[in-house]
Amino acid sequence: GENVEQHPSTLSVQEGDSAVIKCTYSDSASNYFPWYKQELGKRPQLIIDIRSNVGEKKDQRIAVTLNKTAKHFSLHITETQPEDSAVYFCAAESASKIIFGSGTRLSIRP
Amino acid sequence: ETGVTQSPTHLIKTRGQQVTLRCSSQSGHNTVSWYQQALGQGPQFIFQYYREEENGRGNFPPRFSGLQFPNYSSELNVNALELDDSALYLCASSLGVSPLHFGNGTRLTVT
Repeated sequence: GENVEQHPSTLSVQEGDSAVIKCTYSDSASNYFPWYKQELGKRPQLIIDIRSNVGEKKDQRIAVTLNKTAKHFSLHITETQPEDSAVYFCAAESASKIIFGSGTRLSIRP
Repeated sequence: ETGVTQSPTHLIKTRGQQVTLRCSSQSGHNTVSWYQQALGQGPQFIFQYYREEENGRGNFPPRFSGLQFPNYSSELNVNALELDDSALYLCASSLGVSPLHFGNGTRLTVT
């Protein structure tokens, strides 16, 4: 079945710097890749997604890139702010189900 | 627009008991997916329901079962509870497969 690997598991960056989280997937038929943000004690919330017909998508300070040949995709957060502190999950669609990575705990240092 | 709601929010059960968790999908959504999230882990796919039929299942034993009703709400049933079943159970609804909209989850503790 589909497997999604995510790294790093923890990431600490200075406020204002950029953060990058990387994921790989195993199912070459996957064509939808969402990213979710989960704050402590709250539900996962979709922050951005990308489909395989595009290589990059941007929404303000957040961008996602996709390399279908290498089967990896990445989340980029620029100009990080304290409210970006959370756990971030990548995911991939496989056989009509969404499979999640293990998460990255992002901490923003003041 | 009403979001995804889950009940109860917290539940404590004893090993060997049975539990039923409930989920009301977001208005306009026809698909419900259930996930188990252990502490510090990513959500693990349990199963998905579409038009009242199971439409995909993850690596969970048969004692995890579910239902979807004509109004697209859903139940997750777990029989013969084990200590390792302690987790946050998340329900997500969608129109088709994606994107998923999650409820706040049910925190299940098995003692």
